[in-house]
Amino acid sequence: AQSVAQPEDQVNVAEGNPLTVKCTYSVSGNPYLFWYVQYPNRGLQFLLKYITGDNLVKGSYGFEAEFNKSQTSFHLKKPSALVSDSALYFCAVSAANAGNNRKLIWGLGTSLAVNP
Amino acid sequence: DGGITQSPKYLFRKEGQNVTLSCEQNLNHDAMYWYRQDPGQGLRLIYYSQIVNDFQKGDIAEGYSVSREKKESFPLTVTSAQKNPTAFYLCASSPRIGHFADTQYFGPGTRLTVL
Repeated sequence: AQSVAQPEDQVNVAEGNPLTVKCTYSVSGNPYLFWYVQYPNRGLQFLLKYITGDNLVKGSYGFEAEFNKSQTSFHLKKPSALVSDSALYFCAVSAANAGNNRKLIWGLGTSLAVNP
Repeated sequence: DGGITQSPKYLFRKEGQNVTLSCEQNLNHDAMYWYRQDPGQGLRLIYYSQIVNDFQKGDIAEGYSVSREKKESFPLTVTSAQKNPTAFYLCASSPRIGHFADTQYFGPGTRLTVL
């Protein structure tokens, strides 16, 4: 069965420091991996995705993520955090050979707090 | 402006009432989705539709119904059979049928509260 885990409910980081939000997954076959961000009482905004190719994916707002097949991880990173990055971050996965299963599987989210 | 709109932003329902949440997209996307979000539970799929006049149950379809009479519209009805409907409801769309590598784009959400 497909699954995705975000092992940290909350991440705290000081402004200007690098940030990492962790995501691990389990799928049969090649994964499609996504990161979204949600600000309070808003819909989700797409940040980036990995489909194939370069393991380092660059996305919106200076975020990037590294696909690591051996560790089945897709951690979200940013070199220098901003207070405005404080939000809820979701990782999601789907599988290339999911057949008729067209669903994304969502992590439970990680709340990022960037302190001034 | 292109995008997905949901209305209303806030909705209050009395117990025993059915309510309908609106979702409209002008992105010309084939696929549309409804999710429910509860604190600490992430997103759970209620229904999805890949083409007009066709829709499929997701993981938590009981107590909900949908229709897809037009490509751009995918309304969700929360019926009185849904025992715990208070939640944040998110509508999304993606470009192509069956392409689960496609990005899903989300509306701003509707917060439903049962009084």
